[in-house]
Amino acid sequence: DTAVSQTPKYLVTQMGNDKSIKCEQNLGHDTMYWYKQDSKKFLKIMFSYNNKELIINETVPNRFSPKSPDKAHLNLHINSLELGDSAVYFCASSQTRGRDYGYTFGSGTRLTVV
Amino acid sequence: AQTVTQSQPEMSVQEAETVTLSCTYDTSESNYYLFWYKQPPSRQMILVIRQEAYKQQNATENRFSVNFQKAAKSFSLKISDSQLGDTAMYFCAFMKHGDDKIIFGKGTRLHILP
Repeated sequence: DTAVSQTPKYLVTQMGNDKSIKCEQNLGHDTMYWYKQDSKKFLKIMFSYNNKELIINETVPNRFSPKSPDKAHLNLHINSLELGDSAVYFCASSQTRGRDYGYTFGSGTRLTVV
Repeated sequence: AQTVTQSQPEMSVQEAETVTLSCTYDTSESNYYLFWYKQPPSRQMILVIRQEAYKQQNATENRFSVNFQKAAKSFSLKISDSQLGDTAMYFCAFMKHGDDKIIFGKGTRLHILP
């Protein structure tokens, strides 16, 4: 069983479109994250949710909107896609007690905007 | 703000050799956690090893060990008896105690040569 699963794994879309990436974890963790990895492999946090509550919102364009229907799911919706949004997006999860043990990551979604 | 610096963008070593990846970080915190993550070509982010700042003893996990120098704010990763499967990007990362986000360095691309 996959601990943190993201869908889709690959996404190719045109500029201006709206797309969503879904993430689900079956670890019973209460905190979930979205990270963006750019073309130079740099990983930067975008959002964090704890028990469906937004707790971290880094400087991310308003076109990006996370949604957490329950603590096992965290989706990322992106409006009006731009070329610069092309990246790998990672979902991750952790438990509040024990987050210092690091995150469990999904396998990433490679988004290509053409 | 905390920063993590990996000064070696890329390294190559022969199989079975020992290699050390460097990492320095900047923080005014006294209680924090440090991590090394591995990202092989499969793109999956894998936790290799973690260190608690309040523990002087260096963490080890099989062939992987760290040299944690708190005063120097240095956290290097040593891989002994390197194997072809160790070929990957390696990310050093920092998390402040009680915080929710992990801050990553820019990574070191490690090639293990046959």
